[in-house]
Amino acid sequence: EVQLVESGGDLVQPGGSLRLSCAASGFTFSNYAMYWVRQAPGKGLEFVSLISSNGGSTYYADSLKGRFTISRDNSKNTLYLQMGNLRPEDMAVYYCARDSPRPGYCSSTSCGIFDYWGQGTLVTVSS
Amino acid sequence: DIVMTQSPDSLSVSLGERATINCKSSQSVLYNSNNKNYLAWYRQKPGQPPKLLIYWASTRESGVPDRFSGSGSGTDFTLTISSLQAEDVAVYYCQQYYSAPPYSFGQGTKLEIK
Repeated sequence: EVQLVESGGDLVQPGGSLRLSCAASGFTFSNYAMYWVRQAPGKGLEFVSLISSNGGSTYYADSLKGRFTISRDNSKNTLYLQMGNLRPEDMAVYYCARDSPRPGYCSSTSCGIFDYWGQGTLVTVSS
Repeated sequence: DIVMTQSPDSLSVSLGERATINCKSSQSVLYNSNNKNYLAWYRQKPGQPPKLLIYWASTRESGVPDRFSGSGSGTDFTLTISSLQAEDVAVYYCQQYYSAPPYSFGQGTKLEIK
């Protein structure tokens, strides 16, 4: 059974930093691109970041560049999101999600179909 | 970036009746080379993460009931629930994966029981 379990969410002051983790199990983690998607309270879904299966390619939402860093440790089956210079508008539930590869129809980096999601971890940014 | 717009923002439907949610993209998400629409639908029940329902605009994910169907092409898409069940109360999102990241979502449609 595919499982994604996020952790690391916390209350942090504006300007602070936080590292989120996503522990994966039930599949060969190193074969899949992974994502972070966030959802502000009462709002919709927002793409945050993508990392390719080997970690060689990363993408970020334009509004986040320079503040967030996605990474992965395939030996530990874990995805990370290092968040810096946090702002009140970064307050959200952060979900990790797995890419659903479709060879022949999508790029070698990712497809963009999010087939499994974790339960999410809440990041609160407030003084 | 491609902008996804859903309508309506909320919808009330009686149990057993049909529910229809629309999604429009700001540019075509149809790849002419393979004739596939790079469009997915997700359902998010209260307090839960999103769940993939449909991809390629009309292909149901494994285990998704056949009362869910997707249609459309190019820029206009529809998610239809043929006979609404109580467990279908949720927010539904469309999402395009045509262009390179960011993969954008619609704003969501809240479906309730009338």
